[in-house]
Amino acid sequence: QSVLTQPPSASGTPGQRVTISCSGSSSNIGSNAVNWYQQLPGTAPKLLIYSNDQRPSGVPDRFSGSKSGTSASLAISGLQSEDEADYYCAAWDDYLGVFGGGTKLTVL
Amino acid sequence: EVQLVQSGAEVKKPGESLRISCKGSGYSFTNYWIAWVRQMPGKGLEWMGIIFPGDSDTRYSPSFQGQVTISADKSISTAFLQWSSLKASDTAMYYCARRIAAANFDYWGQGTLVTVSS
Repeated sequence: QSVLTQPPSASGTPGQRVTISCSGSSSNIGSNAVNWYQQLPGTAPKLLIYSNDQRPSGVPDRFSGSKSGTSASLAISGLQSEDEADYYCAAWDDYLGVFGGGTKLTVL
Repeated sequence: EVQLVQSGAEVKKPGESLRISCKGSGYSFTNYWIAWVRQMPGKGLEWMGIIFPGDSDTRYSPSFQGQVTISADKSISTAFLQWSSLKASDTAMYYCARRIAAANFDYWGQGTLVTVSS
Protein backbone atom coordinates (compact mmCIF):
# COMPACT_ATOMS: atom_id res chain seq x y z
CA GLN A 1 0.00 0.00 0.00
CA SER A 2 1.72 3.16 -1.23
CA VAL A 3 1.50 6.43 0.68
CA LEU A 4 0.52 8.25 -2.52
CA THR A 5 -2.43 6.86 -4.48
CA GLN A 6 -2.39 6.56 -8.27
CA PRO A 7 -4.70 4.67 -10.62
CA PRO A 8 -2.96 1.44 -11.67
CA SER A 9 -3.64 1.98 -15.35
CA ALA A 10 -4.54 4.60 -17.94
CA SER A 11 -4.88 4.49 -21.69
CA GLY A 12 -5.40 6.67 -24.72
CA THR A 13 -5.09 6.74 -28.48
CA PRO A 14 -2.39 8.65 -30.35
CA GLY A 15 -3.04 12.39 -30.27
CA GLN A 16 -5.34 12.23 -27.26
CA ARG A 17 -4.82 13.95 -23.91
CA VAL A 18 -4.60 11.79 -20.82
CA THR A 19 -4.29 12.68 -17.17
CA ILE A 20 -2.92 10.68 -14.26
CA SER A 21 -3.88 11.59 -10.71
CA CYS A 22 -1.90 11.33 -7.49
CA SER A 23 -3.58 11.67 -4.12
CA GLY A 24 -1.79 12.19 -0.83
CA SER A 25 -2.20 13.92 2.49
CA SER A 26 -1.32 17.10 4.33
CA SER A 27 2.06 15.67 5.41
CA ASN A 28 3.30 15.01 1.89
CA ILE A 29 1.61 16.61 -1.13
CA GLY A 30 -0.19 19.12 1.06
CA SER A 31 3.07 20.62 2.29
CA ASN A 32 5.72 19.64 -0.27
CA ALA A 33 6.33 19.76 -3.99
CA VAL A 34 5.31 16.88 -6.24
CA ASN A 35 7.62 15.29 -8.79
CA TRP A 36 6.79 12.87 -11.57
CA TYR A 37 8.96 10.12 -13.02
CA GLN A 38 8.65 8.19 -16.26
CA GLN A 39 9.96 4.63 -16.44
CA LEU A 40 10.17 3.15 -19.91
CA PRO A 41 10.24 -0.66 -20.06
CA GLY A 42 13.55 -2.08 -18.86
CA THR A 43 15.08 1.29 -17.98
CA ALA A 44 15.75 3.42 -14.92
CA PRO A 45 13.20 6.07 -13.93
CA LYS A 46 13.64 9.51 -15.42
CA LEU A 47 12.61 12.83 -13.88
CA LEU A 48 9.69 14.19 -15.91
CA ILE A 49 8.20 16.99 -13.79
CA TYR A 50 9.65 18.63 -10.69
CA SER A 51 8.32 21.21 -8.22
CA ASN A 52 4.71 20.44 -9.23
CA ASP A 53 4.81 21.90 -12.74
CA GLN A 54 8.40 22.38 -13.93
CA ARG A 55 9.91 20.45 -16.80
CA PRO A 56 13.62 19.57 -16.88
CA SER A 57 15.36 20.55 -20.08
CA GLY A 58 14.68 18.06 -22.83
CA VAL A 59 11.21 17.06 -21.63
CA PRO A 60 8.62 17.96 -24.29
CA ASP A 61 6.00 20.55 -23.39
CA ARG A 62 3.36 17.89 -24.08
CA PHE A 63 3.97 16.91 -20.46
CA SER A 64 2.57 19.15 -17.74
CA GLY A 65 1.95 18.92 -14.02
CA SER A 66 -0.32 20.59 -11.53
CA LYS A 67 -1.10 20.44 -7.84
CA SER A 68 -4.05 21.47 -5.72
CA GLY A 69 -4.27 20.83 -2.00
CA THR A 70 -3.33 17.22 -1.35
CA SER A 71 -3.64 16.04 -4.95
CA ALA A 72 -1.60 16.38 -8.09
CA SER A 73 -1.99 15.51 -11.74
CA LEU A 74 0.20 14.73 -14.71
CA ALA A 75 -1.22 15.56 -18.13
CA ILE A 76 0.11 14.28 -21.43
CA SER A 77 -1.25 15.92 -24.55
CA GLY A 78 -0.73 14.78 -28.12
CA LEU A 79 -0.17 11.24 -26.90
CA GLN A 80 2.53 9.31 -28.78
CA SER A 81 3.37 5.63 -28.87
CA GLU A 82 6.70 6.28 -27.15
CA ASP A 83 4.83 7.63 -24.11
CA GLU A 84 3.84 4.07 -23.21
CA ALA A 85 5.52 3.66 -19.83
CA ASP A 86 4.99 3.56 -16.08
CA TYR A 87 4.52 6.92 -14.37
CA TYR A 88 5.18 7.59 -10.69
CA CYS A 89 4.46 10.59 -8.52
CA ALA A 90 6.72 11.34 -5.56
CA ALA A 91 6.81 13.78 -2.69
CA TRP A 92 8.65 14.38 0.55
CA ASP A 93 6.93 13.31 3.75
CA ASP A 94 8.53 14.55 6.94
CA TYR A 95 12.07 13.20 6.58
CA LEU A 96 11.65 10.64 3.84
CA GLY A 97 10.53 10.30 0.26
CA VAL A 98 7.34 8.56 -0.76
CA PHE A 99 6.23 7.28 -4.15
CA GLY A 100 2.87 6.55 -5.65
CA GLY A 101 2.16 2.97 -6.69
CA GLY A 102 2.65 3.83 -10.34
CA THR A 103 0.34 4.09 -13.34
CA LYS A 104 0.88 1.98 -16.43
CA LEU A 105 0.02 4.05 -19.48
CA THR A 106 -1.00 2.13 -22.58
CA VAL A 107 -1.18 3.82 -25.99
CA LEU A 108 -3.89 2.00 -27.92
CA GLU B 1 28.35 15.18 -17.43
CA VAL B 2 26.70 13.93 -14.26
CA GLN B 3 26.72 10.14 -14.01
CA LEU B 4 25.83 7.55 -11.41
CA VAL B 5 27.28 4.16 -12.29
CA GLN B 6 26.19 1.16 -10.27
CA SER B 7 27.92 -2.16 -9.74
CA GLY B 8 26.88 -5.21 -11.71
CA ALA B 9 24.19 -7.80 -11.18
CA GLU B 10 24.56 -10.19 -8.26
CA VAL B 11 23.29 -13.72 -7.62
CA LYS B 12 23.43 -14.75 -3.98
CA LYS B 13 22.12 -17.43 -1.66
CA PRO B 14 19.88 -16.73 1.35
CA GLY B 15 21.92 -15.81 4.40
CA GLU B 16 24.84 -14.39 2.41
CA SER B 17 26.03 -10.82 2.74
CA LEU B 18 26.25 -8.29 -0.07
CA ARG B 19 27.34 -4.72 -0.75
CA ILE B 20 26.43 -2.92 -3.97
CA SER B 21 27.82 0.42 -5.04
CA CYS B 22 26.94 3.64 -6.83
CA LYS B 23 29.79 5.83 -8.09
CA GLY B 24 29.10 9.47 -8.85
CA SER B 25 31.04 11.58 -11.32
CA GLY B 26 30.74 14.92 -13.08
CA TYR B 27 29.66 16.84 -9.98
CA SER B 28 30.65 17.51 -6.37
CA PHE B 29 29.71 14.18 -4.79
CA THR B 30 29.82 15.53 -1.23
CA ASN B 31 27.22 18.23 -1.87
CA TYR B 32 24.19 16.14 -2.85
CA TRP B 33 22.17 13.48 -1.07
CA ILE B 34 22.10 10.01 -2.66
CA ALA B 35 18.94 7.93 -2.32
CA TRP B 36 18.43 4.20 -2.75
CA VAL B 37 15.21 2.92 -4.32
CA ARG B 38 13.98 -0.66 -4.56
CA GLN B 39 11.86 -2.10 -7.35
CA MET B 40 10.72 -5.67 -6.82
CA PRO B 41 9.88 -7.71 -9.93
CA GLY B 42 6.82 -6.27 -11.63
CA LYS B 43 6.24 -3.78 -8.82
CA GLY B 44 6.59 -0.06 -8.15
CA LEU B 45 9.31 2.13 -6.71
CA GLU B 46 10.03 2.09 -2.97
CA TRP B 47 12.18 4.70 -1.24
CA MET B 48 14.66 2.93 1.04
CA GLY B 49 16.83 5.65 2.49
CA ILE B 50 19.20 8.48 1.82
CA ILE B 51 22.74 9.58 2.67
CA PHE B 52 24.60 12.87 2.52
CA PRO B 53 28.16 11.89 1.55
CA GLY B 54 29.60 15.13 2.93
CA ASP B 55 29.02 14.06 6.53
CA SER B 56 27.41 10.59 6.15
CA ASP B 57 24.12 11.78 7.64
CA THR B 58 21.76 8.88 6.85
CA ARG B 59 17.98 8.47 7.01
CA TYR B 60 16.02 5.26 6.49
CA SER B 61 12.44 4.52 5.58
CA PRO B 62 10.85 2.67 8.51
CA SER B 63 10.28 -0.31 6.19
CA PHE B 64 14.01 -0.71 5.63
CA GLN B 65 15.45 0.43 8.98
CA GLY B 66 17.52 -2.42 10.40
CA GLN B 67 17.24 -4.44 7.17
CA VAL B 68 19.97 -2.66 5.18
CA THR B 69 22.87 -0.32 5.79
CA ILE B 70 23.56 2.72 3.65
CA SER B 71 27.05 4.21 3.66
CA ALA B 72 29.35 6.34 1.54
CA ASP B 73 33.07 6.82 0.94
CA LYS B 74 33.57 10.37 -0.23
CA SER B 75 37.22 9.74 -1.09
CA ILE B 76 36.06 7.56 -3.99
CA SER B 77 32.71 9.33 -4.63
CA THR B 78 30.80 6.12 -3.99
CA ALA B 79 27.68 5.24 -2.04
CA PHE B 80 26.90 1.72 -0.86
CA LEU B 81 23.89 -0.39 0.03
CA GLN B 82 24.64 -3.40 2.20
CA TRP B 83 22.89 -6.49 3.54
CA SER B 84 24.30 -8.72 6.28
CA SER B 85 21.97 -11.66 5.64
CA LEU B 86 20.02 -11.74 2.41
CA LYS B 87 16.54 -13.19 2.05
CA ALA B 88 14.74 -14.37 -1.07
CA SER B 89 12.44 -11.36 -0.66
CA ASP B 90 15.42 -9.04 -1.26
CA THR B 91 15.35 -10.08 -4.92
CA ALA B 92 14.83 -6.81 -6.76
CA MET B 93 16.35 -4.09 -8.90
CA TYR B 94 18.04 -1.43 -6.80
CA TYR B 95 18.57 2.11 -8.05
CA CYS B 96 20.61 4.96 -6.65
CA ALA B 97 19.57 8.52 -7.46
CA ARG B 98 20.92 12.01 -6.79
CA ARG B 99 18.61 14.21 -4.78
CA ILE B 100 18.37 17.87 -5.74
CA ALA B 101 15.65 18.82 -3.28
CA ALA B 102 12.84 17.05 -1.41
CA ALA B 103 11.73 14.15 -3.67
CA ASN B 104 13.41 15.62 -6.74
CA PHE B 105 15.87 13.00 -7.98
CA ASP B 106 17.45 14.34 -11.13
CA TYR B 107 19.99 11.65 -12.04
CA TRP B 108 19.62 7.92 -11.63
CA GLY B 109 22.00 4.98 -11.82
CA GLN B 110 21.33 2.23 -14.31
CA GLY B 111 20.21 -0.16 -11.56
CA THR B 112 21.70 -3.26 -9.94
CA LEU B 113 19.71 -6.49 -10.14
CA VAL B 114 20.05 -8.59 -7.00
CA THR B 115 18.79 -12.17 -7.17
CA VAL B 116 18.65 -14.22 -3.99
CA SER B 117 17.93 -17.89 -4.54
CA SER B 118 18.95 -21.20 -3.03
